[in-house]
Amino acid sequence: QKEVEQNSGPLSVPEGAIASLNCTYSDRGSQSFFWYRQYSGKSPELIMFIYSNGDKEDGRFTAQLNKASQYVSLLIRDSQPSDSATYLCAVTSFSGGYNKLIFGAGTRLAVHP
Amino acid sequence: NAGVTQTPKFQVLKTGQSMTLQCAQDMNHNSMYWYRQDPGMGLRLIYYSASEGTTDKGEVPNGYNVSRLNKREFSLRLESAAPSQTSVYFCASSERGQNQPQHFGDGTRLSIL
Repeated sequence: QKEVEQNSGPLSVPEGAIASLNCTYSDRGSQSFFWYRQYSGKSPELIMFIYSNGDKEDGRFTAQLNKASQYVSLLIRDSQPSDSATYLCAVTSFSGGYNKLIFGAGTRLAVHP
Repeated sequence: NAGVTQTPKFQVLKTGQSMTLQCAQDMNHNSMYWYRQDPGMGLRLIYYSASEGTTDKGEVPNGYNVSRLNKREFSLRLESAAPSQTSVYFCASSERGQNQPQHFGDGTRLSIL
C-alpha cells in the first residue's frame, strides 16, 4: 500500500511568520505532487503542484521537492489568519494502468494574530 | 462557473436504506472520482472512471457501486447503507493523463443511523 505521511499538527505560527508543512511518500515512482488547502467543512482546493526537484514559487507559497529523499514541503511566507486550514499533500501513484492520487491525512495549520 | 456539482449536500439514512449520490462536472474532463473523508484518515478513493464508459475500484469499494452515465455525470450508489459508511463524500474530476490536478465538488455529508 502506497503511503503519504504528514504530521497532523496543529502547527501553530504567529501572524507574519513562515509556516513549513512537510510530507513524505513511499512510492519512488511518483511523478506529481500536489498541495491542497481545506477549510473546516469545505472541500479541498488546489494551491500548488510540483513535478521536478527543487523549488516552485507562487506568491506567498513555495513548494519544495526532493525525490531522492521522497520528501515534499510547502512554505507559506507572511502567514495570515486566513491561512488557518488543513493542508493535504497528494502524490500520484501508478497502479492498474492508471495514475491515482494518494492523499495524506493532512496537517492542521493555525495562524494566530 | 459551476465546476463540480454534488447533490445532495446533506443526507441522513437509516441502516439498510439505499441512495444515490449525484455528481456532474462542466469542465469537459475525462476522468472522475469518488472519495470518502473520515476524521484523521484523509481522502480515500472509492471508485474512479478514467473515461466515459469505464469504471474501476479504488481503495475502499466495498458497499458501493458507481455509474458513469455520460462524460459529465458520475454517480455513487449505496445499496444497503451501514453506519460505517457515515462520512463526507467528495466527487472530483480531472483531465486524463499524468500531472493532472483533481478538482473537487463541495461534498455530501452522509449520516447513517
